[in-house]
Amino acid sequence: GNSVTQMEGPVTLSEEAFLTINCTYTATGYPSLFWYVQYPGEGLQLLLKATKADDKGSNKGFEATYRKETTSFHLEKGSVQVSDSAVYFCALRNQGGKLIFGQGTELSVKP
Amino acid sequence: SAVISQKPSRDICQRGTSLTIQCQVDSQVTMMFWYRQQPGQSLTLIATANQGSEATYESGFVIDKFPISRPNLTFSTLTVSNMSPEDSSIYLCSAGQGGTDTQYFGPGTRLTVL
Repeated sequence: GNSVTQMEGPVTLSEEAFLTINCTYTATGYPSLFWYVQYPGEGLQLLLKATKADDKGSNKGFEATYRKETTSFHLEKGSVQVSDSAVYFCALRNQGGKLIFGQGTELSVKP
Repeated sequence: SAVISQKPSRDICQRGTSLTIQCQVDSQVTMMFWYRQQPGQSLTLIATANQGSEATYESGFVIDKFPISRPNLTFSTLTVSNMSPEDSSIYLCSAGQGGTDTQYFGPGTRLTVL
């Protein structure tokens, strides 16, 4: 079946450090892939998405590239800020149109 | 975009009681969904709320336990019935337009069952 696996958290970084949160998926066909972010006390917000192989989604300095050969969609940011502290969810949309989420990765950025 | 609000934001309930969670979207949307996020776990889809008809439940979720209403294109309710401590979770409402990839989420309702 369809599934999403993220690296375990929490991830703690210093401000301006490089961020990678790994995400791999299992799916039939070629699903759309997403990163959602949940800031403390708020709902999930769509951060970026990619709909086909080799697409790169980007937003607010975050990037992720849809890699079909490695079934991955790793989230990266070159220089994190304290305000990036949140929980990040990788997700795919399956052939039935439903979102399937990874377990979430908590990021804490220290000044 | 769509802004989604939920009420209540949190509640503490006694075993055996029921709680109804409300979800309001600030614009008409085609699709509305309810998710559960158990402590330390990912989001799991409970059901798709269908306007004017019965909700479509995912495997492991039944209407008797999680009755859902959707009287119009901007509003839905989820009831958690006959609660037990295992129902302690965050319940999230989500909405989107058919034919688009973007789904919006409410802030969630944090439920604790004693």
